[in-house]
Amino acid sequence: DTGVSQDPRHKITKRGQNVTFRCDPISEHNRLYWYRQTLGQGPEFLTYFQNEAQLEKSRLLSDRFSAERPKGSFSTLEIQRTEQGDSAMYLCASSAGLAGRTQYFGPGTRLTVL
Amino acid sequence: QKEVEQDPGPLSVPEGAIVSLNCTYSNSAFQYFMWYRQYSRKGPELLMYTYSSGNKEDGRFTAQVDKSSKYISLFIRDSQPSDSATYLCAMTPYSGAGSYQLTFGKGTKLSVIP
Repeated sequence: DTGVSQDPRHKITKRGQNVTFRCDPISEHNRLYWYRQTLGQGPEFLTYFQNEAQLEKSRLLSDRFSAERPKGSFSTLEIQRTEQGDSAMYLCASSAGLAGRTQYFGPGTRLTVL
Repeated sequence: QKEVEQDPGPLSVPEGAIVSLNCTYSNSAFQYFMWYRQYSRKGPELLMYTYSSGNKEDGRFTAQVDKSSKYISLFIRDSQPSDSATYLCAMTPYSGAGSYQLTFGKGTKLSVIP
């Protein structure tokens, strides 16, 4: 069990550019979650997948954000036309089983939009 | 009023002290309660997980849930400098919409002084 991994760990981009982040969950975890965390705040839920199905999306997930989990394994989060307000830590988590409330987080991708 | 309130601190204690960290919440549907530890610029690490009311102990850590008061606590005994981190409470309902979304407090920053 190698834990949840995320790539890249850091991303610096210019306003208006598109960025894509990848998350690899703990193997055999069927649920995968994306959260966003800004400085001094707790993580905020963005969206989650059960296998390949995206089941819930937060109102924080604007039209510029899209997430996929095509084969029910890894997931990608894309932000189009980045804005300075998108600067944050993007966290991925995974969980397993019918209970599935215990979510295990990855190290995060820190995004800085200049 | 936010759904989950947590005093951000900072909280500074001497090594060996007993630390008490707390959260209050307003949503009576919350049934699962978690505590995460987050070191600077890292992802949250799951510490404790409890369901409904009661106490749970794991080594130096004790989690308490009082649903009648909508109040949860984490106690750390014999605190160590390595416990210095931000502690996040998180919670989620048992079922229905949002039951897999963790709602976090802002986190309490703890420093244990040698």
